[in-house]
Amino acid sequence: SAVISQKPSRDICQRGTSLTIQCQVDSQVTMMFWYRQQPGQSLTLIATANQGSEATYESGFVIDKFPISRPNLTFSTLTVSNMSPEDSSIYLCSVAGTGSGNTIYFGEGSWLTVV
Amino acid sequence: KQEVTQIPAALSVPEGENLVLNCSFTDSAIYNLQWFRQDPGKGLTSLLLIQSSQREQTSGRLNASLDKSSGRSTLYIAASQPGDSATYLCAVSRGNQFYFGTGTSLTVIP
Repeated sequence: SAVISQKPSRDICQRGTSLTIQCQVDSQVTMMFWYRQQPGQSLTLIATANQGSEATYESGFVIDKFPISRPNLTFSTLTVSNMSPEDSSIYLCSVAGTGSGNTIYFGEGSWLTVV
Repeated sequence: KQEVTQIPAALSVPEGENLVLNCSFTDSAIYNLQWFRQDPGKGLTSLLLIQSSQREQTSGRLNASLDKSSGRSTLYIAASQPGDSATYLCAVSRGNQFYFGTGTSLTVIP
């Protein structure tokens, strides 16, 4: 299994500002995933972050809005830039473990409210 | 593209009742299926993982089954408790791609 620490857990942000979410994993992993979960919705993949290369973004998400860093095999950050109320969501960091049938593990999530 | 559906979207039961949550998926070529619990404003906690070669998995009061050929999984919760109140999501995987259902919001009434 993997233990994922994510912070902040919750924040209220002003419109137009940017916020960086940090994700720390207790073991080295190749791929880390960032998801967004808007109120009442399921999870939407934002991007996949591999160490040593540019993140791969899903359709509808762009690097200028959601820049991602992956400096090593245990850490990643997601920045939500120039926030608007539509960005109010839970942002989730996750990793895929291969030890037991490709399980996916999640951090505790970062609940952002943009006012 | 894989689509995952969960029915019902919401469920309310009295404490002590046994219940079943449903998950269906359109593409049976999956590696595994995973059930999660999510408390309000929080991340996802993995409950059970069923690999594609397995039919079911059990953990305490939880039992999950998988029927790949029909594209269905069920999560059975025995003797429900108020602490079971949460949203339950299922996810299927293929490689490093994961597809999530929309969840079932469960309320167990004391």
